[in-house]
Amino acid sequence: DGGITQSPKYLFRKEGQNVTLSCEQNLNHDAMYWYRQDPGQGLRLIYYSQIVNDFQKGDIAEGYSVSREKKESFPLTVTSAQKNPTAFYLCASRPTRLNTEAFFGQGTRLTVV
Amino acid sequence: AQSVAQPEDQVNVAEGNPLTVKCTYSVSGNPYLFWYVQYPNRGLQFLLKYITGDNLVKGSYGFEAEFNKSQTSFHLKKPSALVSDSALYFCAVRENTGFQKLVFGTGTRLLVSP
Repeated sequence: DGGITQSPKYLFRKEGQNVTLSCEQNLNHDAMYWYRQDPGQGLRLIYYSQIVNDFQKGDIAEGYSVSREKKESFPLTVTSAQKNPTAFYLCASRPTRLNTEAFFGQGTRLTVV
Repeated sequence: AQSVAQPEDQVNVAEGNPLTVKCTYSVSGNPYLFWYVQYPNRGLQFLLKYITGDNLVKGSYGFEAEFNKSQTSFHLKKPSALVSDSALYFCAVRENTGFQKLVFGTGTRLLVSP
């Protein structure tokens, strides 16, 4: 069963703690993305990666970090430096052929308590 | 840098009527354009894309979109709306050079009333 799996679906974090969101894909896609979704603001790009061991900052990378040690995995760490981390986080992947669309996971809802 | 505008936060339409969800874009060079739909607390589902060729693109669930280069628009349309079409719709654009960052609009909520 191919696809993108994000875990957990719901995550609660205390203020000051780091937390890592998992994103795994078995689609053999080279490119992977992390987006943050807030009401009324659409999807904003946090980080993206085209190949293993390489990634670039998106528009709102401050307070976040990523790694791309394996093609299948692109975990996102929300650090304590992120001042307003409560949001819905979406991971996506796609082949790097120019005319392909991105495929999305089901998202992780992070709440700071 | 590329950008997408969805000027309507919400579109209301009666079931059976045609619907249009608007999208305009800005990108250097030729754009790759996409529409996605999102149901509550779910990820995004791909509807259709424009890469090149015919300006009218047909996609999933009876949706279509018209690419207009002179107006830099890519409006989503459906001839006859269903209540089940009620959802959040996102337009996205990608450059056809470099890393091809995928940028989304703010989304338009479509509400189809019975």
